[in-house]
Amino acid sequence: DAGVTQSPTHLIKTRGQQVTLRCSPKSGHDTVSWYQQALGQGPQFIFQYYEEEERQRGNFPDRFSGHQFPNYSSELNVNALLLGDSALYLCASSATGANEKLFFGSGTQLSVL
Amino acid sequence: AQSVAQPEDQVNVAEGNPLTVKCTYSVSGNPYLFWYVQYPNRGLQFLLKYITGDNLVKGSYGFEAEFNKSQTSFHLKKPSALVSDSALYFCAVRGPIYNQGGKLIFGQGTELSVKP
Repeated sequence: DAGVTQSPTHLIKTRGQQVTLRCSPKSGHDTVSWYQQALGQGPQFIFQYYEEEERQRGNFPDRFSGHQFPNYSSELNVNALLLGDSALYLCASSATGANEKLFFGSGTQLSVL
Repeated sequence: AQSVAQPEDQVNVAEGNPLTVKCTYSVSGNPYLFWYVQYPNRGLQFLLKYITGDNLVKGSYGFEAEFNKSQTSFHLKKPSALVSDSALYFCAVRGPIYNQGGKLIFGQGTELSVKP
């Protein structure tokens, strides 16, 4: 049983570019959350998707957007990249009714130069 | 607003000794508290959670946590540390529920180092 898978594992972009990160949830999970983890910090909640809708959002600008597909996989898009967007981006999945027990992927390390 | 604090950036323990990683919380209402562990180049792994019931919660890999309402603490403990326990540990609290969604609010993390 595959866990949460994220792609790519590493990414290097320049300021102003756009990036798309991808996530496949654990089998049987229908809810996907995205977190940003800056170096030396705890993960910060970006948003959560359920039934292809954004259900909750953290304090991130509109440059951060997402999507969930009918197969429950998800994308995180970041436009107009800033140096400060450099971080590890973590996808977490959970099953309806058990949203507190999150299963995390290994993350995408994004470097913005 | 919900928040957690981990007062120690790093904890050093000798193998075989007991370990404690500290966490304090601030919530409105009943707290839903969690511990996660992060190994190098990996995502976070769930260790345990407290929602209600016994103040001593048992979790994965021999870890347990003690909920103390009067001290607003939720410290992670293990009776005998292993070198393989060396990792980054995060305490978290569930944030306010909006639109049936849920998010976790994480502390800054504590680096646990267990030496042979």
